[in-house]
Amino acid sequence: GAVVSQHPSRVICKSGTSVKIECRSLDFQATTMFWYRQFPKQSLMLMATSNEGSKATYEQGVEKDKFLINHASLTLSTLTVTSAHPEDSSFYICSAMAGDGDTQYFGPGTRLTVL
Amino acid sequence: GNSVTQMEGPVTLSEEAFLTINCTYTATGYPSLFWYVQYPGEGLQLLLKATKADDKGSNKGFEATYRKETTSFHLEKGSVQVSDSAVYFCALSEAAGNKLTFGGGTRVLVKP
Repeated sequence: GAVVSQHPSRVICKSGTSVKIECRSLDFQATTMFWYRQFPKQSLMLMATSNEGSKATYEQGVEKDKFLINHASLTLSTLTVTSAHPEDSSFYICSAMAGDGDTQYFGPGTRLTVL
Repeated sequence: GNSVTQMEGPVTLSEEAFLTINCTYTATGYPSLFWYVQYPGEGLQLLLKATKADDKGSNKGFEATYRKETTSFHLEKGSVQVSDSAVYFCALSEAAGNKLTFGGGTRVLVKP
């Protein structure tokens, strides 16, 4: 149980294009999902908290107009990187909060490369 | 604010050696504590957790005890395998539904 998937696992895009990453909780409902960014050999940096049916809460320094988050259902949150640039290349990981409200389960991550 | 400090790696061990990864935390309340493991190219997997003082989390031969008096949650395994090679993250959550604060991660390499 408590499986979280992400799609796609890898994406390569040209500078200036937009990329959408999906995060799904497969066997449980998640009112809260989180989006993280991870640079090589570094820890995870929380980008935003996504709550079903409401606007996401962004961490300080994260551009909300660049990283659009939508949490349309209890099992799906999407992160759209708009007008991507090479500096947006990174490993993006989502997590979903389990029913106990205490444990986050993580997706396998999406590696974004912007050329 | 909350913070988590864990020992820097990389930690290189031989198979069947004893592993300890130190983790200490700073929090204003009574957080829940977690260890996550990340295998190369993958997301994080929950390894174990503890929600209150003196609780011991355990899984796959790994153990960690929530020590409120020393604000620590050290990870241990008595006999590591090559397949334990990964990056290990200590984390805390201040309250239910709240975001995680991660340590910097410790890379462990187990050689045959």
